[in-house]
Amino acid sequence: NAGVTQTPKFQVLKTGQSMTLQCAQDMNHEYMSWYRQDPGMGLRLIHYSVGAGITDQGEVPNGYNVSRSTTEDFPLRLLSAAPSQTSVYFCASSYSADRNQPQHFGDGTRLSIL
Amino acid sequence: AQSVAQPEDQVNVAEGNPLTVKCTYSVSGNPYLFWYVQYPNRGLQFLLKYITGDNLVKGSYGFEAEFNKSQTSFHLKKPSALVSDSALYFCAVRDPRDSNYQLIWGAGTKLIIKP
Repeated sequence: NAGVTQTPKFQVLKTGQSMTLQCAQDMNHEYMSWYRQDPGMGLRLIHYSVGAGITDQGEVPNGYNVSRSTTEDFPLRLLSAAPSQTSVYFCASSYSADRNQPQHFGDGTRLSIL
Repeated sequence: AQSVAQPEDQVNVAEGNPLTVKCTYSVSGNPYLFWYVQYPNRGLQFLLKYITGDNLVKGSYGFEAEFNKSQTSFHLKKPSALVSDSALYFCAVRDPRDSNYQLIWGAGTKLIIKP
């Protein structure tokens, strides 16, 4: 059981480039989300999805797009990379969107924008 | 505004001693409370949660947490620390009435257990 798988683990981009961070889960979880983690700031929610075909914005959505065409996959797209997007990105999932459900996290993608 | 505070950036404890990692919150009503642990270069792992009921909840790896409604606190505890407990610990809170499914996260506390 792989849980939540994120690829790539590391990436360096130049300003203005675009890329997609991949996230897949094999637990048939309804709820998936993307966070960014910056030192001393905890986690900030970028986008989330409560089921296939449904996405919504979190706290810091600007510069990012998501889609949820299947239950398993929830890719995060950086449209035009900026140095301020240098961060560690985590994908998480939970069985449902019920607010008492704990989240399962991937191991993260470490992204540097030059 | 809703918020979570972890007042200590770092906590140092000798192996075998009890440990406490503090968390206070500012969320109205009866929030759901969570603790997660992050080891280096890994994602966060769920430790325990408080939803309702007994104020003392037990979780993974021998950790427990005490919910105190009057002090709006949810401190993480362990009776006897292990070197392997050294990690980054996050407290998170969710308002069950909130429509946007967001967890409110603390900034994290680095726990260092010295042999």
